[in-house]
Amino acid sequence: EIVLTQSPGTLSLSPGERATLSCRASQSVYGRYLAWYQQKRGQAPRLLIYGASSRATGIPDRFSGSGSGTDFTLTISRLEPEDFAVYYCQQYGSSRTFGQGTKVEIK
Amino acid sequence: QVQLVESGGGVVQPGRSLRLSCAASGFTFSNYAMHWVRQAPGKGLERVAVIAYDGSNEHYADSVKGRFTISRDNSKNTLYLQMHSLRTDDTAVYYCARTNWNDVGPYDYWGQGTLVTVSS
Repeated sequence: EIVLTQSPGTLSLSPGERATLSCRASQSVYGRYLAWYQQKRGQAPRLLIYGASSRATGIPDRFSGSGSGTDFTLTISRLEPEDFAVYYCQQYGSSRTFGQGTKVEIK
Repeated sequence: QVQLVESGGGVVQPGRSLRLSCAASGFTFSNYAMHWVRQAPGKGLERVAVIAYDGSNEHYADSVKGRFTISRDNSKNTLYLQMHSLRTDDTAVYYCARTNWNDVGPYDYWGQGTLVTVSS
């Protein structure tokens, strides 16, 4: 099973700042089959990025994904108030596993 | 528009059974593999089970294998999760989620979730 490790656990930033979230896999993710989800309190997760770098429908372009192999990054270029949430990465190339999440909180 | 609506959650004693349902609408249900994903209180996400678009194949997390059964009725556009021998560590919000026909894709739509609490 591929283990995904997200860092940092918590990111404290101010609106307007840039957020960089990391997701590291224990082995190479096949086909760049890596997704990012956003989850707000009391809500279901929402797909942001798939295929490591493709934005899902309706996702603003301040969200971008990059990476391949074992190292992936989600970048939020300028944080909006509604972006403070928990973010999960998921690989779907070999069965499916999730990272443990990164909380982006208001500083 | 695509909608997934879970139901059937509640409070149940350890060792008992419960069946969850997920009603799908706004898309051709029979063209998509479907998953159940759960989230224990304050914890991360865990894929519980998956079923092929035509019901021909299923896969389970080790934590539920032999206790949970995923099924679907494509004529009713409904996904099910039958849970037996429930344990306290099965307490979680259970989400149904859609992926593509060959199950190689992200979860592009999720339901709102249904809470299962296993407690004596």
